[in-house]
Amino acid sequence: AQRVTQPEKLLSVFKGAPVELKCNYSYSGSPELFWYVQYSRQRLQLLLRHISRESIKGFTADLNKGETSFHLKKPFAQEEDSAMYYCALSYGGSQGNLIFGKGTKLSVKP
Amino acid sequence: EAGVAQSPRYKIIEKRQSVAFWCNPISGHATLYWYQQILGQGPKLLIQFQNNGVVDDSQLPKDRFSAERLKGVDSTLKIQPAKLEDSAVYLCASSQPDRYYGYTFGSGTRLTVV
Repeated sequence: AQRVTQPEKLLSVFKGAPVELKCNYSYSGSPELFWYVQYSRQRLQLLLRHISRESIKGFTADLNKGETSFHLKKPFAQEEDSAMYYCALSYGGSQGNLIFGKGTKLSVKP
Repeated sequence: EAGVAQSPRYKIIEKRQSVAFWCNPISGHATLYWYQQILGQGPKLLIQFQNNGVVDDSQLPKDRFSAERLKGVDSTLKIQPAKLEDSAVYLCASSQPDRYYGYTFGSGTRLTVV
């Protein structure tokens, strides 16, 4: 069965420190992976997609099929990065829907 | 563009009562989703519509939950009768035909069943 695992419920770092939010998935096919973010009192929004290989707000994520991982990284954390981060897996072809992990709360301290 | 609109923002009901949530997706988005997010967990898909047809409702508790999307635009999710474990945030999302752009989520409806 498809599954997304985010092992850390809470990650606390100091401003300027590197950040890595872990995401592992279970899926036998070719996965499509996303990171969503929810800032305080805001709606859930897309941060980045693995297929676009983009960097958004300094965050990057590389799909590692061998380790079935899609970790989110940023070299220097900012206080405004504090939020809930959800890793999500899309499957099922053109009508595929998203399976979300339980989320990791990132807290960046000054 | 206008976002995904949901109402109400909050709802408190007693168990065994009924409740309905409304969603208006982004104009032109053919696919609409309802997700349930219980505190401390990630969103879980309840139902997916493509235009006004159901694509996936395998995780919808059909004995108490129902949803419709008349005319392929607005959608309503209903719970009747509600249970304590239905307390959650109900999220509506919509997407373009190319889902690689990801979903656009509404603000959600926070339901508390007492």
